[in-house]
Amino acid sequence: GAGVSQSPSNKVTEKGKDVELRCDPISGHTALYWYRQRLGQGLEFLIYFQGNSAPDKSGLPSDRFSAERTGESVSTLTIQRTQQEDSAVYLCASSRGDHAYEQYFGPGTRLTVT
Amino acid sequence: AQSVTQLGSHVSVSEGALVLLRCNYSSSVPPYLFWYVQYPNQGLQLLLKYTSAATLVKGINGFEAEFKKSETSFHLTKPSAHMSDAAEYFCAVMKTSYDKVIFGPGTSLSVIP
Repeated sequence: GAGVSQSPSNKVTEKGKDVELRCDPISGHTALYWYRQRLGQGLEFLIYFQGNSAPDKSGLPSDRFSAERTGESVSTLTIQRTQQEDSAVYLCASSRGDHAYEQYFGPGTRLTVT
Repeated sequence: AQSVTQLGSHVSVSEGALVLLRCNYSSSVPPYLFWYVQYPNQGLQLLLKYTSAATLVKGINGFEAEFKKSETSFHLTKPSAHMSDAAEYFCAVMKTSYDKVIFGPGTSLSVIP
C-alpha cells in the first residue's frame, strides 16, 4: 500500500475487555511507533520498534499495554482490561531506518471505552 | 531526558498577519527538530525538519523555522497567514536519527478572516 494503514478505524468496547489494534507500516520501513492522542491533547509516545533491536517500551503507561511486531511488518498494540481513561486515538507511524525522523502517520484508531 | 514545550496552547491571528508558534526544547545534545501539522480530521504530516544543516529551515506551505541553539528554540513562522493554515501544530525533538521522537503538547492555530 501507499501509506500506513491502521485497523479498525473505530473501536467501541466495554470497560474490562481486551482490545487489539493493528498497524501496517509502509513496506521497507524498519522503524515503527505507537502514540496515543487523547481528545484535545498532544501525542503521547507509547512504544518504538527499530529493526531487530529491542523495542523502546518506556512510554507504555501500564502493564495492561503491550505491543508486538513481526519482523519489519505488521504491529499489534494490545490493551488488556480496558479502562475509560484508555479512550483516545491511537496513532501508528513508520519510517525508514536511516531517515527515522521522517515519520509517516496512519489515520489512527479511535478507541472508546464505555 | 528530552522534552519539548510549546508556549500557547491556542494562537489566533488575522488573515494576512504574521504567524509565530513557539517551541523550546531541552536536550543534552544538539537534536533533530521537527514541526508537524494536523489539519482537522486528518492525519499528521511533516511540515519541516532541522537536522544540523542550515539553521533556517524552509518547509511546505510557506512555513519556516529557525534553530537557535543559544535559546534552545525552534520557532515556526509564516509571513502571511491564510485561512487554510488553521490546524494543530506540533513541535518534536529527536536526539539521534535512530531515537524515538518526543512531541510537544501542540498549538492550535486559528485564522480570523
